[in-house]
Amino acid sequence: GIQVEQSPPDLILQEGANSTLRCNFSDSVNNLQWFHQNPWGQLINLFYIPSGTKQNGRLSATTVATERYSLLYISSSQTTDSGVYFCAVEQGTGANNLFFGTGTRLTVIP
Amino acid sequence: DTGVSQDPRHKITKRGQNVTFRCDPISEHNRLYWYRQTLGQGPEFLTYFQNEAQLEKSRLLSDRFSAERPKGSFSTLEIQRTEQGDSAMYLCASSLAPDRGGYNEQFFGPGTRLTVL
Repeated sequence: GIQVEQSPPDLILQEGANSTLRCNFSDSVNNLQWFHQNPWGQLINLFYIPSGTKQNGRLSATTVATERYSLLYISSSQTTDSGVYFCAVEQGTGANNLFFGTGTRLTVIP
Repeated sequence: DTGVSQDPRHKITKRGQNVTFRCDPISEHNRLYWYRQTLGQGPEFLTYFQNEAQLEKSRLLSDRFSAERPKGSFSTLEIQRTEQGDSAMYLCASSLAPDRGGYNEQFFGPGTRLTVL
């Protein structure tokens, strides 16, 4: 299947700082989603972004499908942003399931 | 829209026992997926349904695992003769397929955490 790599694997930020999380994928994709997994394990949808740029409050995301990467920007981080961020892609052909990266664990300290 | 729900949220069982989990998708969604997540990893696909038809099964889905979606609404995932290696979070997701006007954006339930002793 398609390979999805996320970087960095771990990130520690002071509250108020900005950060950029990266997702690289190895093949063409139909869909790309960013999720935040909270400490209880719930995956929360952040963005559905197979291409282009979207913004939602302090979060924004950009996917450059032709270069096979996506970026998630978090500005003015808050302690509630802590958790694991996953990028997941649906391949351009075949199955409709999502392939997940291994995630970026973000810790925001006050 | 009440989101995807899963039951139970936690299950502790002894090795060799059978367990069954339930997933209720978002009501208008016609696709339903099961994933498994182990500690420190991203979720991995197990199987998916479009309406009542099971269309894809991962190689992770051994013959001890079976999933059903009898009326195209809720789904069950059964694990027979559980093993300690089955301990994981089992996640369900649903989506609206493009032929129903959707984009296949997947929404996840809270998961069922299985511990096999």
